[in-house]
Amino acid sequence: AQSVTQLDSQVPVFEEAPVELRCNYSSSVSVYLFWYVQYPNQGLQLLLKYLSGSTLVKGINGFEAEFNKSQTSFHLRKPSVHISDTAEYFCAVSGPSSYKLIFGSGTRLLVRP
Amino acid sequence: ETGVTQTPRHLVMGMTNKKSLKCEQHLGHNAMYWYKQSAKKPLELMFVYNFKEQTENNSVPSRFSPECPNSSHLFLHLHTLQPEDSALYLCASSQTGTSGGADTQYFGPGTRLTVL
Repeated sequence: AQSVTQLDSQVPVFEEAPVELRCNYSSSVSVYLFWYVQYPNQGLQLLLKYLSGSTLVKGINGFEAEFNKSQTSFHLRKPSVHISDTAEYFCAVSGPSSYKLIFGSGTRLLVRP
Repeated sequence: ETGVTQTPRHLVMGMTNKKSLKCEQHLGHNAMYWYKQSAKKPLELMFVYNFKEQTENNSVPSRFSPECPNSSHLFLHLHTLQPEDSALYLCASSQTGTSGGADTQYFGPGTRLTVL
């Protein structure tokens, strides 16, 4: 079985500061990893995904994430955040033979001026 | 219309009512999903349809009844719900192929359901 843990329920940060949102996963098989963002009153939007190859994945809006197999982590980073990045961020995992996504509980990013 | 649309956006119903949620995808995908998003809980997959066939029912109570008449439309019929069913119900779609779980799911904006 697969599972995802997002260690922080809320991360406050000042505008233009760097941010890291943490995600750890558990799986007995190889995985695909995703980060989705949910803005208020909207559905989820894909930020980036790791399928294979380079462990550093670049996504939209200046976000990137690094797959670390030994630490079973897929942390999301942005070097300089904007007010508009305030949203809920979800890490998710799926396996090679199933299109079922397992989501973490989410991390609320609060960007303050 | 583009992407995945859901109607209504908000719904308030009593426990004895019958209502339906509608989802439509304009992306030409072959798979559609219903998720439940409750406060402080991870998104829960409810149902999956692939080429109109239900391929996943994640132990959902029978008071939730999905219907997928074609690859573009997905409904969730609701009857005799409980207050704990109040949540945001999200629909998603994807193009499934040989890449299995690598497919990106595209989400609608959700229906905010309140059960009184």
